[in-house]
Amino acid sequence: ETGVTQTPRHLVMGMTNKKSLKCEQHLGHNAMYWYKQSAKKPLELMFVYNFKEQTENNSVPSRFSPECPNSSHLFLHLHTLQPEDSALYLCASSQERRYTQYFGPGTRLTVL
Amino acid sequence: DAKTTQPTSMDCAEGRAANLPCNHSTISGNEYVYWYRQIHSQGPQYIIHGLKNNETNEMASLIITEDRKSSTLILPHATLRDTAVYYCIAHLYQGGSEKLVFGKGTKLTVNP
Repeated sequence: ETGVTQTPRHLVMGMTNKKSLKCEQHLGHNAMYWYKQSAKKPLELMFVYNFKEQTENNSVPSRFSPECPNSSHLFLHLHTLQPEDSALYLCASSQERRYTQYFGPGTRLTVL
Repeated sequence: DAKTTQPTSMDCAEGRAANLPCNHSTISGNEYVYWYRQIHSQGPQYIIHGLKNNETNEMASLIITEDRKSSTLILPHATLRDTAVYYCIAHLYQGGSEKLVFGKGTKLTVNP
């Protein structure tokens, strides 16, 4: 058990739906990350939060909206997604940005 | 981050040592070598990391050559549960930018 949990584990949504992914870390870390892993592609970093402040956005479309209310929780709000957004969405955390990242189990998202 | 090169796939017999090589000939002096693994459809799991010296923990050993241009991850007694994709990453946190780049990794299959 990594200490990073993600819910839901599986999500199917239509293109007009609004949904949110949740990540919670129980490790006392201060940095949190969202990654996307599409089929047969390497992990892609999406967002980075450090001490609740967003420090990196890797040109992610605005239909993905992150939120970090505190150092333990990270959300990814989804709206008007496209089928090509179907992927495994992974959350990770680290003590601070320069340290080892620990990943959650991921949310398998399917957009119909 | 320095580019890493790994074999696409490897096989290992259960109970034997699994030695996974990684080339990182362009690694800079302050880049760490990280190893993660990812079991099918789960989040990546941190294994070990090092800078210059060989490292060992409860999961594996990391052998880094003196010139730091290559390294080997050793799983001393592979089990069926070690079947996964193993990623070797040369990681440097610099200038406020997070660059933990996952490549395609090595698909390790442990056979009974």
